[in-house]
Amino acid sequence: NAGVMQNPRHLVRRRGQEARLRCSPMKGHSHVYWYRQLPEEGLKFMVYLQKENIIDESGMPKERFSAEFPKEGPSILRIQQVVRGDSAAYFCASSPGGRPYEQYFGPGTRLTVT
Amino acid sequence: AQRVTQPEKLLSVFKGAPVELKCNYSYSGSPELFWYVQYSRQRLQLLLRHISRESIKGFTADLNKGETSFHLKKPFAQEEDSAMYYCALSGSARQLTFGSGTQLTVLP
Repeated sequence: NAGVMQNPRHLVRRRGQEARLRCSPMKGHSHVYWYRQLPEEGLKFMVYLQKENIIDESGMPKERFSAEFPKEGPSILRIQQVVRGDSAAYFCASSPGGRPYEQYFGPGTRLTVT
Repeated sequence: AQRVTQPEKLLSVFKGAPVELKCNYSYSGSPELFWYVQYSRQRLQLLLRHISRESIKGFTADLNKGETSFHLKKPFAQEEDSAMYYCALSGSARQLTFGSGTQLTVLP
């Protein structure tokens, strides 16, 4: 089992462009979580999804950010019209069920907005 | 609201010395507390959870509800313990709330 995969590992975008971050969960895992880590801070929860459903998006900014986890394929975190403040490391975790201690983390995507 | 505080960003100890990484939390209900570790160039991984009351790699952590703390301890630090340590809390929602982390360096 290759573990949670995230790509790209590094992404550079100019202000105003769109960023798409992908997360492939571990085999057999149907729950995906996205976290954002700003410099000098801990990981902050953004959104929790199950296949085709958003379960909890209480940590998502109200505008420009969206997430999906389709029936087939990876989960996608999409940031439209990126701004400098979006520069951060974005981590994805997957779990087989909804228990928090079963979250396995990916290596993260480092987004830099120039 | 739930919050996790790790007051030390950096902590250095000598090999063989005891180490304690502090974690305080605020949560109105009964939380689950965890310690996660990230070794250099590796992924974040679960170290231990308070519910299991186990010792992993010589580390233990006791939940003190009176002081709302969940400090991580090891009696004799090893160089391979050098890593970033995050305390995390899970409440009624299934998300994890992380502290800002403590970078532990064990000196030879």
